Amino acid sequence: NAGVTQTPKFQVLKTGQSMTLQCAQDMNHEYMSWYRQDPGMGLRLIHYSVGAGITDQGEVPNGYNVSRSTTEDFPLRLLSAAPSQTSVYFCASSWGGDYGYTFGSGTRLTVV
Amino acid sequence: AQSVTQPDIHITVSEGASLELRCNYSYGATPYLFWYVQSPGQGLQLLLKYFSGDTLVQGIKGFEAEFKRSQSSFNLRKPSVHWSDAAEYFCAVAGANDYKLSFGAGTTVTVRA
Repeated sequence: NAGVTQTPKFQVLKTGQSMTLQCAQDMNHEYMSWYRQDPGMGLRLIHYSVGAGITDQGEVPNGYNVSRSTTEDFPLRLLSAAPSQTSVYFCASSWGGDYGYTFGSGTRLTVV
Repeated sequence: AQSVTQPDIHITVSEGASLELRCNYSYGATPYLFWYVQSPGQGLQLLLKYFSGDTLVQGIKGFEAEFKRSQSSFNLRKPSVHWSDAAEYFCAVAGANDYKLSFGAGTTVTVRA
């Protein structure tokens, strides 16, 4: 099993550009989430999904969109990148709340 | 709303010494509690979790944690640290029917020889 795979690992964007961060899992997990990690703030939930076709906002959703057309994939879209979105982004998946989440290795995004 | 506080931003410990990381949570019902570890440049790895039952839980890499409902705490311990334990540690909370993890700000552990 590959687990949770995130691509790309690193990305530099110019302000106003758009891009999609990819996340795929091969564990047939129903729950998937996107977090951003900033120094001194831990991880904050951006968006999450409880199954294909079902998504909802987390703590910091502004500037990000998600969709979940399949169980395996949960891409995160930045519509118009801003310097405040410079961060490390983690995708995670789980069977359910009591199993804990499996995390990907992260995408380090810099917006200039 | 649920929240997690990790009072210690940075802890330095000597190799072979014991380690305790503090975690306090706020949650209205019975919480699900987790400790994750993150090595530099890596993702997060689950160390241990608590849902119910025995309040002392054992995890991987020789770590254990104790749930104390009266103190709203879930402190992580290791009797004897190794240089490889240098990392950032995160405490997290979720609810029984809630799949949204809330994380603390993390504690960075430095191990000195």
